[in-house]
Amino acid sequence: GENVEQHPSTLSVQEGDSAVIKCTYSDSASNYFPWYKQELGKGPQLIIDIRSNVGEKKDQRIAVTLNKTAKHFSLHITETQPEDSAVYFCAASKGFNKFYFGSGTKLNVKP
Amino acid sequence: DGGITQSPKYLFRKEGQNVTLSCEQNLNHDAMYWYRQDPGQGLRLIYYSQIVNDFQKGDIAEGYSVSREKKESFPLTVTSAQKNPTAFYLCASSMGGQTHVQPQHFGDGTRLSIL
Repeated sequence: GENVEQHPSTLSVQEGDSAVIKCTYSDSASNYFPWYKQELGKGPQLIIDIRSNVGEKKDQRIAVTLNKTAKHFSLHITETQPEDSAVYFCAASKGFNKFYFGSGTKLNVKP
Repeated sequence: DGGITQSPKYLFRKEGQNVTLSCEQNLNHDAMYWYRQDPGQGLRLIYYSQIVNDFQKGDIAEGYSVSREKKESFPLTVTSAQKNPTAFYLCASSMGGQTHVQPQHFGDGTRLSIL
């Protein structure tokens, strides 16, 4: 089955700096890659996603890049704010409604 | 507002007891899922259902059971056979029957602990 690895497990940045979280996947048939943000005591919320026919997608301060050849994708957050502090999860799917999740990155944005 | 409602938020289980976690959605989604989340780990799939009256085992189904009698409801029972039930349980749903994979939307979870 698919194996998704996520790094780093924790990330601390100063407010206003950029944050980058990276994920690798093993199954070249995976074609959908969502990113979720999870706040304490809450369920994950979808923040951005990308499909395999696209190399990059942006939504305001958030962007995701995908390298199909290397089988990795990354989340980029620019101009970080304290409210960006949360746990972020990547996932990969090739369909059949099965998602494989990374182990999560705890992002701490220091004011 | 449309969304996924999980209840209760906190649940305690006694030794040998079965407990049932509720998940209701009003998004008109065909597919529903149950995940288990342990500290420092990603989400692991317990069961999923693509249509009413049908469901499949995920990666860690042992000690759990589900039913899907209605489109909007997908309850999860944690049986006494599950020896390590303490975890955060998340329910999700997504549109089904589409050409492309659809994003999953999550409820706010139920935290289950052993008494």
